[in-house]
Amino acid sequence: RKEVEQDPGPFNVPEGATVAFNCTYSNSASQSFFWYRQDCRKEPKLLMSVYSSGNEDGRFTAQLNRASQYISLLIRDSKLSDSATYLCVVMDSSYKLIFGSGTRLLVRP
Amino acid sequence: DVKVTQSSRYLVKRTGEKVFLECVQDMDHENMFWYRQDPGLGLRLIYFSYDVKMKEKGDIPEGYSVSREKKERFSLILESASTNQTSMYLCASRVSRGGPSYEQYFGPGTRLTVT
Repeated sequence: RKEVEQDPGPFNVPEGATVAFNCTYSNSASQSFFWYRQDCRKEPKLLMSVYSSGNEDGRFTAQLNRASQYISLLIRDSKLSDSATYLCVVMDSSYKLIFGSGTRLLVRP
Repeated sequence: DVKVTQSSRYLVKRTGEKVFLECVQDMDHENMFWYRQDPGLGLRLIYFSYDVKMKEKGDIPEGYSVSREKKERFSLILESASTNQTSMYLCASRVSRGGPSYEQYFGPGTRLTVT
């Protein structure tokens, strides 16, 4: 079983739609959680950290459910420029990042 | 802005060759990492270094070695390249393992093809 699992997609949505991605992790001792974004043929970049209380950054909302060991990312009012692969990332107890395989999002006009 | 640079964007090598991939960061970060990224497998950690002269194995170190003689530079070495090492190689750096900032900054990647 992978340590961090994501639906690979692709999620194909029209502009303006709301889309949500989920991710599950296996190590209950994990302390820190993140979403990274990776554009085609580019390097991953931090999108946002995920806090226990949930956090929002503009159109993006991240939630953490420790009891069920899953993390979510909600994107409202999707833009064409949101098309990318979204990587769910968990930090292990030795401070290493464990990456999911990513969920691909395609936003169409 | 943090800048992480990698010596090549594209590299083609022959089976059995020794390959050096160089990574340099300009923000005085303590931690540096080497990953490979393959379709369906995501990013997998090869080696990492929490400080100069330090190195630790990641999840898939076989066939690789690393060198960190200076803080800003972290080199990945393929001792004898094989076709199953054809991949995208990504270097990353981070301020440190402690403290409030865990963001890792990635270089642009090196796409290595071994024929």
